Parts: sequence; C-alpha cells; structure tokens
Amino acid sequence: AQTVTQSQPEMSVQEAETVTLSCTYDTSENNYYLFWYKQPPSRQMILVIRQEAYKQQNATENRFSVNFQKAAKSFSLKISDSQLGDTAMYFCAFTMNNAGNMLTFGGGTRLMVKP
Amino acid sequence: GAGVSQSPRYKVAKRGQDVALRCDPISGHVSLFWYQQALGQGPEFLTYFQNEAQLDKSGLPSDRFFAERPEGSVSTLKIQRTQQEDSAVYLCASSFAGRQLGNEQFFGPGTRLTVL
Repeated sequence: AQTVTQSQPEMSVQEAETVTLSCTYDTSENNYYLFWYKQPPSRQMILVIRQEAYKQQNATENRFSVNFQKAAKSFSLKISDSQLGDTAMYFCAFTMNNAGNMLTFGGGTRLMVKP
Repeated sequence: GAGVSQSPRYKVAKRGQDVALRCDPISGHVSLFWYQQALGQGPEFLTYFQNEAQLDKSGLPSDRFFAERPEGSVSTLKIQRTQQEDSAVYLCASSFAGRQLGNEQFFGPGTRLTVL
C-alpha cells in the first residue's frame, strides 16, 4: 500500500516571504503522479501543482514550485512571495495507474500567511 | 462552466438514521470518486465509478455504506444506520477521462455529516 506523510502539521510565513512544505511517500511503483492540493477554509479542494514521476524536471506554476527527489521519495512544495490568499490546508497526494487514479493523501499542513 | 456540486452542504442525523448524499459532477466527466475526510485529517478514498460502473469500492468502511451512479452522471452515497464514527466531510470529485494516469480530479465543496 502507498503512504504519504506530511511531517509539518502547521506552518506560518510572513507575507511576501518564501515557505517550503515537506512531503514524503512510500511506493514500489515506478510510474505515478504526485500532486499538491490546496483546501481553503471554504473546503473546496483545488489542484496547485502536479509532477509526473518519470520527468526529472521539477514542475513550476507561477509562485509554486516543487523539489521532486525520486530516489529519496520526497516531494516538497515551495511557495514564493507568499500572499494572504495562500492561507489554507495543503495536502500532498499520490496516484498510481490503477484503481481509477484514486488519490492517496497525506495528513495535511495548515499554512498561515501573516500580514 | 459549473464545477462539482454536492448537496446538502450540511447534514445532522441522529444515530441510526439513514442519510443520502448527492454529487453532481462536471458534465462529461467519466470518472467519479468519493472520499471521506475526518476532522483535521486528509481525505481517504471510499469508492470509484467509471461512467455507471462501480469499479472500486475497497475504501467503503462497512456494508452500511452504499454508492450508486445509475446513469453515469449524478451519484449518491448512502449511509444506513449512521453511527457517530461516520461524522466527517464527504467529498466528491470527478475527472474527465477514465484510467489515465495523472488526470486532475475536480472536487466539490463536500457535505459535512454530523451524527448525534
């Protein structure tokens, strides 16, 4: 079974600064996807960024980027120039190419951006 | 276009009551997922549909949980004889294609179920 671990239950960052959220996972598969999802207080989960395991290049989406270390099974999210609207729960998630792409989530990191 | 919608947004049930939670996926989305999110935790997979076929129900915690998607669009998650441990947010998600790796899942706002 796959597991996803987020070791930081809560983090805070000052507005405009950079913060990194950690995620590790465990799998014996070679072909998979990793995701970071954001869940604001309104509860609707939104995809932030996605990484294909066979791609060595780290994914980036505007202020969001990942550091994907396949051998170490590590997938951290870096948020640059943090904004108040980034305040939310962040979930790291994993999917394999079976079971209809069901997502396995970590326990989440609550990020507070302070003005 | 409209996103994934769920109803009701909040449901309070007395222990032993049956409840039905509805999910309207994005039009044209083939895949539909149900997840259960306990307070302060990450979502956990319950079941998966591809069109009207329920291809995976390995995450359903007991035989009191039942899901259907009879016409391949709207889905209903039914919980019979609710227990206090069923209290959680139930999330529905849909994605466009079938078994293709990495398809983005679009989530609904969830239904918060409280069992008294």
